[in-house]
Amino acid sequence: EAGVTQFPSHSVIEKGQTVTLRCDPISGHDNLYWYRRVMGKEIKFLLHFVKESKQDESGMPNNRFLAERTGGTYSTLKVQPAELEDSGVYFCASSLGTSATYEQYFGPGTRLTVT
Amino acid sequence: AQSVAQPEDQVNVAEGNPLTVKCTYSVSGNPYLFWYVQYPNRGLQFLLKYITGDNLVKGSYGFEAEFNKSQTSFHLKKPSALVSDSALYFCAVRGAWQGGKLIFGQGTELSVKP
Repeated sequence: EAGVTQFPSHSVIEKGQTVTLRCDPISGHDNLYWYRRVMGKEIKFLLHFVKESKQDESGMPNNRFLAERTGGTYSTLKVQPAELEDSGVYFCASSLGTSATYEQYFGPGTRLTVT
Repeated sequence: AQSVAQPEDQVNVAEGNPLTVKCTYSVSGNPYLFWYVQYPNRGLQFLLKYITGDNLVKGSYGFEAEFNKSQTSFHLKKPSALVSDSALYFCAVRGAWQGGKLIFGQGTELSVKP
């Protein structure tokens, strides 16, 4: 069974540019999460999809961030326009359900550097 | 507000010695607690979790963790460290009512020397 995949693995962009991150969850996992770790700090929750619907987007930092999950399969996270403080590692995770009995499986992350 | 604290940025242990990575939490209601590990250039891997039941939880790679409600702690332990255990360890918590959202600590870098 393939794990959670993320693309690209690294992205270096200039301030003001746009970047789109992609996450492919494990097949059959209705729940998809985005998290972010900024330099050396804790991993912070961004948002949670159940199928194509946003269940919880309380962690989205501002309206420069747009997440979508069309068709309830893969998800994209767009940052437009990017700012220096957006640099960090963006993790995607998926799970079968939201009960604590279901682990969240994480992808390798996308390292975003905004210069 | 829910939070997790990992008081040590780095833990250094000699191979063969026991290791402990500390975690304390704050959450409303009964906590669900998790440990994840991140090896270089890899995603987070699930190690173990506490939901209910026995306070001592056993997980992957010989790791275990003890839930202590009175001290609001969930320290990760291993009786005999291996060099291959060197990695970044994250503690996480969620409340029973919180959907799937995990609250993470800032991570602890474990270094095991031969």
